Amino acid sequence: KAGVTQTPRYLIKTRGQQVTLSCSPISGHRSVSWYQQTPGQGLQFLFEYFSETQRNKGNFPGRFSGRQFSNSRSEMNVSTLELGDSALYLCASSWTSGTNYEQYFGPGTRLTVT
Amino acid sequence: KQEVTQIPAALSVPEGENLVLNCSFTDSAIYNLQWFRQDPGKGLTSLLLIQSSQREQTSGRLNASLDKSSGRSTLYIAASQPGDSATYLCAVPYNNNDMRFGAGTRLTVKP
Repeated sequence: KAGVTQTPRYLIKTRGQQVTLSCSPISGHRSVSWYQQTPGQGLQFLFEYFSETQRNKGNFPGRFSGRQFSNSRSEMNVSTLELGDSALYLCASSWTSGTNYEQYFGPGTRLTVT
Repeated sequence: KQEVTQIPAALSVPEGENLVLNCSFTDSAIYNLQWFRQDPGKGLTSLLLIQSSQREQTSGRLNASLDKSSGRSTLYIAASQPGDSATYLCAVPYNNNDMRFGAGTRLTVKP
């Protein structure tokens, strides 16, 4: 069974640009969550999508958005990039939404904003 | 608000030692606790998931325990190997799949 995949693995963008990251969950998983990891703040929850609906949102500005497609694949978008958006972006999938299910993480997308 | 703390922040041991990593959380009303491993620049690999009704879980040389009442979990690694060198993170669900992570323990196992 294939794991969680994320594309691209590495990105370099310029301040002010926008970026779209993609996540394909494990087959059969319907929940996708996104996290930002930085050396200073650690892992922080961005949002969760389940059945194409955003279920939960972390404390990030509106420049961060996402969506989920009918095949459970998810994308996140960051508009008007800032230097502080440089981070490893991780997505995680689980069978369903809720608090009792194991989360499986992808390899991440390393975003560098210059 | 759920806060997760991991001690120590870093640990260096010689190969073959048994070691314990600690994780504490402030809200004991958790459904489960998950331990992860992260290699530098990589994603997270799930090691063990302990449900709230369980006291411990084992996988190979790893054993994780959970004490909800005291808000603590430990990850025991037996007979450590250089390949165990990584950062170990614990996490608890806060709201649906919003997981709260500790800052991690960076483990170095010296040959």
